[in-house]
Amino acid sequence: RKEVEQDPGPFNVPEGATVAFNCTYSNSASQSFFWYRQDCRKEPKLLMSVYSSGNEDGRFTAQLNRASQYISLLIRDSKLSDSATYLCVVGTNDYKLSFGAGTTVTVRA
Amino acid sequence: NAGVTQTPKFQVLKTGQSMTLQCAQDMNHEYMSWYRQDPGMGLRLIHYSVGAGITDQGEVPNGYNVSRSTTEDFPLRLLSAAPSQTSVYFCASRPLGSGETQYFGPGTRLLVL
Repeated sequence: RKEVEQDPGPFNVPEGATVAFNCTYSNSASQSFFWYRQDCRKEPKLLMSVYSSGNEDGRFTAQLNRASQYISLLIRDSKLSDSATYLCVVGTNDYKLSFGAGTTVTVRA
Repeated sequence: NAGVTQTPKFQVLKTGQSMTLQCAQDMNHEYMSWYRQDPGMGLRLIHYSVGAGITDQGEVPNGYNVSRSTTEDFPLRLLSAAPSQTSVYFCASRPLGSGETQYFGPGTRLLVL
């Protein structure tokens, strides 16, 4: 079983729509959670960290459910520039990060 | 700051050849790591280092060596390239601490024939 699993998508949404997707993780000892964004043929970049109480960053909202071992990302008022692959990343206390394979989002005009 | 830099950007090797992928960071980060990214799979950790002189294996270390003689540099060596090592390789660095942001280099695209 993969440590971090994501729905690969793609999620095709019109501009202005809301899109949401989850990822699940298998290690109950995981301590840190992130969403990274990766554009085609580029390096991943941090989108946002995910905190236990949930957090927002502009149009992006992340939630963590430790009991069910999943995190979610919601994008409101989608822009064309939001088209990317979103990587779910989970960390334990031994410095290692586990990456999901990514969820592809395509926002169309 | 240049951040994390990687060279080369692209490389074609023949089976059995060796080469070194270079990685450097100027942010004084203790933690550095190498990943490979293949289609349909998440980034997989090859090797990592928590400081100069300290390295350890990740998830897929076979066929790769690393060393960390300075805080800034963390080269990845392919000992005898195989077609299965065709991939995109990313170097990354961050401060120690579980909540710290990880910064990636631009990647090296490697094709092994």
